[in-house]
Amino acid sequence: NAGVTQTPKFRVLKTGQSMTLLCAQDMNHEYMYWYRQDPGMGLRLIHYSVGEGTTAKGEVPDGYNVSRLKKQNFLLGLESAAPSQTSVYFCASSYSNGGGYTFGSGTRLTVV
Amino acid sequence: KNEVEQSPQNLTAQEGEFITINCSYSVGISALHWLQQHPGGGIVSLFMLSSGKKKHGRLIATINIQEKHSSLHITASHPRDSAVYICAVRGGDDKIIFGKGTRLHILP
Repeated sequence: NAGVTQTPKFRVLKTGQSMTLLCAQDMNHEYMYWYRQDPGMGLRLIHYSVGEGTTAKGEVPDGYNVSRLKKQNFLLGLESAAPSQTSVYFCASSYSNGGGYTFGSGTRLTVV
Repeated sequence: KNEVEQSPQNLTAQEGEFITINCSYSVGISALHWLQQHPGGGIVSLFMLSSGKKKHGRLIATINIQEKHSSLHITASHPRDSAVYICAVRGGDDKIIFGKGTRLHILP
């Protein structure tokens, strides 16, 4: 089982460039999440989705956009990357709001 | 003050020792999760608790709702248990709050 797959695994961007991170899950989970992880801080929720066609803001949404056009995919976009967005990004999914999580392997993004 | 506090922040122990990692929280919760993050970065969900105790292999997780406290225990620790262990709580508003993690290093 693939579980949750994130692409790409690594990326270096120049300030002002744009990019999209893809998260794909094959478990038919309704809920999907994007987190960022920074040194010395816990995981912080960027955006999440409770089903196909829905998205909602999390704790740190500024500078990011998301889309969930298909149930299995959750895309995270950076329209104009900034050095403050250098981080490790994790996607996760769950079958319900209180269910156990399955995480992707992460994307390490560096903005120079 | 953080809403989810873990202790200790770092722990080094010898192989075979009994390990305890603590998580205290200050908000009302509907569930508590324990996660494991290996040095390679991947995150695995270990337990989801809303009451009592759960056991999986050498791992045991307990929660005391009244005291707003949970513990993760590892029996007969092994170097492969070396990882960051993260506590996360789901509040009444469904918001998830993560602790900063406990870095565990088991020496052979």
